[in-house]
Amino acid sequence: EPEVTQTPSHQVTQMGQEVILRCVPISNHLYFYWYRQILGQKVEFLVSFYNNEISEKSEIFDDQFSVERPDGSNFTLKIRSTKLEDSAMYFCASRWLWTDNSPLHFGNGTRLTVT
Amino acid sequence: QQQVKQSPQSLIVQKGGISIINCAYENTAFDYFPWYQQFPGKGPALLIAIRPDVSEKKEGRFTISFNKSAKQFSLHIMDSQPGDSATYFCAASKGGTGNQFYFGTGTSLTVIP
Repeated sequence: EPEVTQTPSHQVTQMGQEVILRCVPISNHLYFYWYRQILGQKVEFLVSFYNNEISEKSEIFDDQFSVERPDGSNFTLKIRSTKLEDSAMYFCASRWLWTDNSPLHFGNGTRLTVT
Repeated sequence: QQQVKQSPQSLIVQKGGISIINCAYENTAFDYFPWYQQFPGKGPALLIAIRPDVSEKKEGRFTISFNKSAKQFSLHIMDSQPGDSATYFCAASKGGTGNQFYFGTGTSLTVIP
């Protein structure tokens, strides 16, 4: 079964540094998402992306965050200047359509640790 | 503001028992209510979902009960097995391009052999 692939599985960075989290969505999917999960807490929406532009974003997704689909396969999340509170598990997700019968498929996540 | 409230935070059930997890929502514009199952080190995976035009949906041992007037929905796991031990998240979304999913805080289920 096709999978959403995320790299790296774990990223450690110093506060103030830039990080790029990478995702390869399922190949025929059209909608892409980033979510994050702070340890032991709920899964929080960051941003959705369709047709090479942001469809929706949350309050968390401020100017420090950006997303890009640099080619036909990768979908990246960049955090320009990381803060301690950015430490979390970041999940990429994709779906074929936005309808109910097109479920959201999550990757296994990238654990970001900001020191 | 928490769009979806989930309880309990953790649940311990004997093998063969029934696990029940509850969620409540506020936004009446929500029209799709999935449940996700997450194992350690993995991303959430869709388990079962319901739309508000039905009151119950069953898939194998998993059943969603939906009460539109009370704005509540619940997941029932019948004949719970140790392999069901995982974290379960309810979620809600409304139609539209992108349609953000709002997740509950998760329930850690442990099924004791």
